[in-house]
Amino acid sequence: EPEVTQTPSHQVTQMGQEVILRCVPISNHLYFYWYRQILGQKVEFLVSFYNNEISEKSEIFDDQFSVERPDGSNFTLKIRSTKLEDSAMYFCASRDRGMAAEAFFGQGTRLTVV
Amino acid sequence: SQQGEEDPQALSIQEGENATMNCSYKTSINNLQWYRQNSGRGLVHLILIRSNEREKHSGRLRVTLDTSKKSSSLLITASRAADTASYFCATDANDYKLSFGAGTTVTVRA
Repeated sequence: EPEVTQTPSHQVTQMGQEVILRCVPISNHLYFYWYRQILGQKVEFLVSFYNNEISEKSEIFDDQFSVERPDGSNFTLKIRSTKLEDSAMYFCASRDRGMAAEAFFGQGTRLTVV
Repeated sequence: SQQGEEDPQALSIQEGENATMNCSYKTSINNLQWYRQNSGRGLVHLILIRSNEREKHSGRLRVTLDTSKKSSSLLITASRAADTASYFCATDANDYKLSFGAGTTVTVRA
């Protein structure tokens, strides 16, 4: 069964360092998303990506964040200068179409900023 | 905000009992989805109900939707220990944003 894969599963980084979280969405999907979940809290929308550009982003997704689809298969989230409060689980998701389609989630990357 | 809000926040039941959780949302929707999350894992889609549907079943899951009250409920019948997880409702604002509620944590005791 096709699945969304994320790497690494766990990343520890020092405050101020850049991190890149990687995702391989399902191959025929067109819509891509990043979410984050601070431990025990709600799943927060960060950004969506369609047709090779950002389609929507939340207020959390500030200038420290960027997304790329560098090679037509990978989908990355970069945090330029990490802060302690960026510590969270980051989930990538994809859908084959937009509204009313099931979203497929990866298993997440646990980011710990120390 | 389009986000759903679940109620209760947490639920503890005995194996074999039914679990019911509710979701309320603020604006008009085209559909509402329910997802499940096992501890520390990714979300898994359970069921989608469209705005013109009132009830939908999938195995031991039953979802209702009342658009006049802007609310939905998820019922898990004959619960099992393996149903222990967090359950989230989600609404589509558009093609580009699926918004999740705060979730209900369900614990099924053996």
